[in-house]
Amino acid sequence: GAVVSQHPSWVICKSGTSVKIECRSLDFQATTMFWYRQFPKQSLMLMATSNEGSKATYEQGVEKDKFLINHASLTLSTLTVTSAHPEDSSFYICSAIGLADNEQFFGPGTRLTVL
Amino acid sequence: GEDVEQSLFLSVREGDSSVINCTYTDSSSTYLYWYKQEPGAGLQLLTYIFSNMDMKQDQRLTVLLNKKDKHLSLRIADTQTGDSAIYFCAESKGAAGNKLTFGGGTRVLVKP
Repeated sequence: GAVVSQHPSWVICKSGTSVKIECRSLDFQATTMFWYRQFPKQSLMLMATSNEGSKATYEQGVEKDKFLINHASLTLSTLTVTSAHPEDSSFYICSAIGLADNEQFFGPGTRLTVL
Repeated sequence: GEDVEQSLFLSVREGDSSVINCTYTDSSSTYLYWYKQEPGAGLQLLTYIFSNMDMKQDQRLTVLLNKKDKHLSLRIADTQTGDSAIYFCAESKGAAGNKLTFGGGTRVLVKP
């Protein structure tokens, strides 16, 4: 099946700094990528839908200025957590849909810890 | 609004069958999915079913859908220790691959 990678797999940062997480589709072109957030022992919550070459669509309650999403190419989307705070600590998972496929392929996730 | 609910925990002995249940509220759901998540990892799609189907079987996995009651179940036959994980049901509307609404996840523990 199609492979989606995320980098870094985990990151620890100081409060007030910004962190960028990359999501790549390795062997297919992704027209759409999704960003999810998962708190410990909880479900995945969709944060935003990212389409190549256009602005991301954010879910209700997600601050677009805090969680900056860029989908500059058909194989890369980035999520930047700006001015991170401890409450932003979470597991961030991306998924991607290919041009031909209708299935979402999930990345392995990035664990963010903000001190 | 959309709501997908699952029981939190299931314990099963190795070799037995596991049944994980899920209920949803949105009758316009088109696709229903089961995903598996192992510790610290992303989600792996196990199987999915169209809303106009009642049952789908794939090797050890059997999915049953009761559309009238908006109830979805996943049966794992001959459960193995490697099946210990969190299982999420999810629904989407329209074409497969549209945004997913997930249940809270069921943690399955397989005891030897």
